[in-house]
Amino acid sequence: AQSVAQPEDQVNVAEGNPLTVKCTYSVSGNPYLFWYVQYPNRGLQFLLKYITGDNLVKGSYGFEAEFNKSQTSFHLKKPSALVSDSALYFCAVRAGGGNKLTFGTGTQLKVEL
Amino acid sequence: NAGVTQTPKFQVLKTGQSMTLQCAQDMNHNSMYWYRQDPGMGLRLIYYSASEGTTDKGEVPNGYNVSRLNKREFSLRLESAAPSQTSVYFCASSELSGGSSSYEQYFGPGTRLTVT
Repeated sequence: AQSVAQPEDQVNVAEGNPLTVKCTYSVSGNPYLFWYVQYPNRGLQFLLKYITGDNLVKGSYGFEAEFNKSQTSFHLKKPSALVSDSALYFCAVRAGGGNKLTFGTGTQLKVEL
Repeated sequence: NAGVTQTPKFQVLKTGQSMTLQCAQDMNHNSMYWYRQDPGMGLRLIYYSASEGTTDKGEVPNGYNVSRLNKREFSLRLESAAPSQTSVYFCASSELSGGSSSYEQYFGPGTRLTVT
């Protein structure tokens, strides 16, 4: 069965600094990987996905993620963090047939002035 | 386009009461899902419907039932609510495989349920 791990419950970063939110996965076969963001009292919003092709994927709001097959990782990055990026971030994986996704436990990102 | 809508937004139940959470999507998606979100647990799949007329259990189906009423609507029913079902419930939808937006799930705003 597939699984996703987000090793950090919380990440703190100063505004203007680069940010990284970590995700590792375990699947049989080729993974389809996703990042979602959740603002307080809202549903999840899709940020970006890796299906195939270029290992560096660009998404919404200036976020990008790098797929690393050898390290089974899909870390979310942004070159310069904004206070408005503060939110809960979820990594998810689809593997095998069907459309089901398995989500990580989430990482709370806090960007401070 | 409203996307995915859920009703109600908030609900308080007493142990043993029943209720139905409603979900509708206007994106013509074939697949729909119900998740619950609990602190430190991430999102866990309760039930899903790959296409109209089919439903399947997810990771945590006990205590819940679902109905795929038509292509647009997918409801979640709690027959006899328990305090352990206190959670935030999200509905989501997605296309079937194929196409540029394959596998992306689109989420509703959630229902915050408290069972006392």
